[in-house]
Amino acid sequence: DAKTTQPNSMESNEEEPVHLPCNHSTISGTDYIHWYRQLPSQGPEYVIHGLTSNVNNRMASLAIAEDRKSSTLILHRATLRDAAVYYCILRDREGGSEKLVFGKGTKLTVNP
Amino acid sequence: DGGITQSPKYLFRKEGQNVTLSCEQNLNHDAMYWYRQDPGQGLRLIYYSQIVNDFQKGDIAEGYSVSREKKESFPLTVTSAQKNPTAFYLCASSISAGGPNEQFFGPGTRLTVL
Repeated sequence: DAKTTQPNSMESNEEEPVHLPCNHSTISGTDYIHWYRQLPSQGPEYVIHGLTSNVNNRMASLAIAEDRKSSTLILHRATLRDAAVYYCILRDREGGSEKLVFGKGTKLTVNP
Repeated sequence: DGGITQSPKYLFRKEGQNVTLSCEQNLNHDAMYWYRQDPGQGLRLIYYSQIVNDFQKGDIAEGYSVSREKKESFPLTVTSAQKNPTAFYLCASSISAGGPNEQFFGPGTRLTVL
């Protein structure tokens, strides 16, 4: 599986936007970029995924670089409930990638 | 409500005992997964099942066993052969394995072996 690199931790203030970066320089043309987050003592939850174009949903936006070697998860207005570990994961579009390969992720702290 | 349930939330066992963790889903998903998480680490795949009566080993299957007799159930047994079983265990499911399919996770079972 192609690897991703994320900062260990980031901090934000409540109601401010947060930009969580992810580098994936060895991404292949068939890899989707997925983001999951894990709140303390809970299972991970899906946030968003994309392939080439930027994506928006009710939780977040995903900005993908033109060369696809990096992406950024954007939380438009952070709340205290967004404090979690955020994982950036690559998954092969053509299957054969049954597992999600979790790195250590980025621990996001949101200050009131 | 549709979702994944895991029980119990906390489990304590003595060293050398086998223990079975429950995972049930009512999402009608074909694929189910078991992951293990150690403190400060990401998740690692133990076993997965793409369909009833079929399952495959993940990255760290040694000392674990599973069964998939029903679509909605995928129990995990932690055997005495698992050298370091104390961990947070997470079950997940998806419509089918692979591709961009979202995985839905249960709340987890925290196993402590004394």
